[in-house]
Amino acid sequence: DSGVTQTPKHLITATGQRVTLRCSPRSGDLSVYWYQQSLDQGLQFLIQYYNGEERAKGNILERFSAQQFPDLHSELNLSSLELGDSALYFCASSGRDTQETQYFGPGTRLLVL
Amino acid sequence: AQKVTQAQTEISVVEKEDVTLDCVYETRDTTYYLFWYKQPPSGELVFLIRRNSFDEQNEISGRYSWNFQKSTSSFNFTITASQVVDSAVYFCALTRVFSGGYNKLIFGAGTRLAVHP
Repeated sequence: DSGVTQTPKHLITATGQRVTLRCSPRSGDLSVYWYQQSLDQGLQFLIQYYNGEERAKGNILERFSAQQFPDLHSELNLSSLELGDSALYFCASSGRDTQETQYFGPGTRLLVL
Repeated sequence: AQKVTQAQTEISVVEKEDVTLDCVYETRDTTYYLFWYKQPPSGELVFLIRRNSFDEQNEISGRYSWNFQKSTSSFNFTITASQVVDSAVYFCALTRVFSGGYNKLIFGAGTRLAVHP
């Protein structure tokens, strides 16, 4: 158990809908990262927050947004969902002992029908 | 640009065989970190090891060992006496080192290891 929690584990929704994925980092970690794992793109970095502030952006679509709250949990919002957004979404955190090592949550499996 | 290549898409072995997973990376940075993660069938990503660019010592942890060679930009992972529980997808990853708490992982495509009884 990495100490990173993600909810929900599974999500099934329809095209055009909006969903919110939630992540709680390991105790003491200030950084939260979001990654998308799909069959065609592999594991792709989406965005990083550090102590509430956006720190880096990767291949994140404009339809996607994220934030990190004062208690350090983070939410990833996906809107106007398309079939191609079906993927496994991971949250990771780092910083308590080392900034470089990211510990991953169990992931949220999103299926868009 | 940074890049991680895992040329082996799938490997199949019989239990107790040794197996080596290859990882080749590209970076212009002098300071960087390399990682291996394991993704078992249940789907989570499990951290296995981190190595920084200044530490080329090989590491052994039980049946696992890692060989880092800067000269060939490789960070290979060997499992000795493989077991069925080792069946998983293994990812090699690379990150740059920035000040101010910024870093992102660049992952390879992964190698699926199947260990048969």
